[in-house]
Amino acid sequence: GAVVSQHPSRVICKSGTSVKIECRSLDFQATTMFWYRQFPKQSLMLMATSNEGSKATYEQGVEKDKFLINHASLTLSTLTVTSAHPEDSSFYICSARDPRVNTEAFFGQGTRLTVV
Amino acid sequence: QKEVEQNSGPLSVPEGAIASLNCTYSDRGSQSFFWYRQYSGKSPELIMSIYSNGDKEDGRFTAQLNKASQYVSLLIRDSQPSDSATYLCAGYNYGQNFVFGPGTRLSVLP
Repeated sequence: GAVVSQHPSRVICKSGTSVKIECRSLDFQATTMFWYRQFPKQSLMLMATSNEGSKATYEQGVEKDKFLINHASLTLSTLTVTSAHPEDSSFYICSARDPRVNTEAFFGQGTRLTVV
Repeated sequence: QKEVEQNSGPLSVPEGAIASLNCTYSDRGSQSFFWYRQYSGKSPELIMSIYSNGDKEDGRFTAQLNKASQYVSLLIRDSQPSDSATYLCAGYNYGQNFVFGPGTRLSVLP
């Protein structure tokens, strides 16, 4: 299947700093990517839809100034967690739809963020 | 509010048995359905997709879709301990977002 690569897989940062997470589609062009957050033993929560060349669409309750999304090319979307706090510690996962295989979505490996 | 519902489990089955995972959805406009497997601490992995009513088989996995009842299921035959994971059901309405269920935790006992 299609490959979506996410980096880094783990990151520890201090409160108040910013962290950037990258999501790349390696063998297809993704005009749309999705960012999810998952807390322990809970399901995926969609944070925002990242659209290439335009602003991201954020879900209700997600602060767009805190979670900055940039989708500058057809193969790369980035999520920056600004002024991170311990409550932002979570598992962040990106996904992308491969237009060649109908509507199937493929996930990146996920990023475990720990804010200390 | 478009929802996908699953029993959170845990569902425990002995090794070699059939595991049956169920999912219901509220959006009648959903046209595509997916089952993802997620191991603890890992990202979800797509294992089955189904688009039309009936059964779809792939190896030990069979997905079943009944759009009239708004019901999707996943059967795992000859369950193995390595199948122990959380299984996420997702529905997709073209042009909109995927909607994920909360997941069912499956435990296959050796």
